[in-house]
Amino acid sequence: GAVVSQHPSWVICKSGTSVKIECRSLDFQATTMFWYRQFPKQSLMLMATSNEGSKATYEQGVEKDKFLINHASLTLSTLTVTSAHPEDSSFYICSAFPQPGWTGELFFGEGSRLTVL
Amino acid sequence: KNQVEQSPQSLIILEGKNCTLQCNYTVSPFSNLRWYKQDTGRGPVSLTIMTFSENTKSNGRYTATLDADTKQSSLHITASQLSDSASYICVVSAQVDMRFGAGTRLTVKP
Repeated sequence: GAVVSQHPSWVICKSGTSVKIECRSLDFQATTMFWYRQFPKQSLMLMATSNEGSKATYEQGVEKDKFLINHASLTLSTLTVTSAHPEDSSFYICSAFPQPGWTGELFFGEGSRLTVL
Repeated sequence: KNQVEQSPQSLIILEGKNCTLQCNYTVSPFSNLRWYKQDTGRGPVSLTIMTFSENTKSNGRYTATLDADTKQSSLHITASQLSDSASYICVVSAQVDMRFGAGTRLTVKP
């Protein structure tokens, strides 16, 4: 099956620094990628939808300036947590569609665990 | 209000037993329904995808059912194994939108 890779799988940073998480589709071109965060024992919460070459669409309540999303190519989307604080500590997961309106399997990355000290 | 409701929130069963997880939704217009298994600290992995016309779909010991009239789906796990311990997430898609259930956390004990 299709593979979506995330990097890093875990990261620890100091409060106030920025952290970038990459999401790559390894064997298909992903026109649409999604970013989620997940708190312990809770389900996935969609943060934003990004389409290649255009601005990301953020869900209500998600700070655009806090969580910068870039989808510059068909195989790479990045999430940058700016000026991270301890409350940003979470599990961040991406997923990808090969094309808009795709009704098949949604391919997820393995997730990136962010810990902000 | 979440448009996808899963029950139970958590479930503990003994190894070898069967169990059924429920997913009720109000998402409309319905496009498809996916069941995912998520191990702790890992990304979700697809179990089944069901469209409007499908009533039952199996993937090994996992069998999903869909009643589009009542907007209910279930995931039945047969002869549970310790490795089935995970969160099971129901995802319902409308034409341009996806809604995630809160998941059911299954623990299989020896």
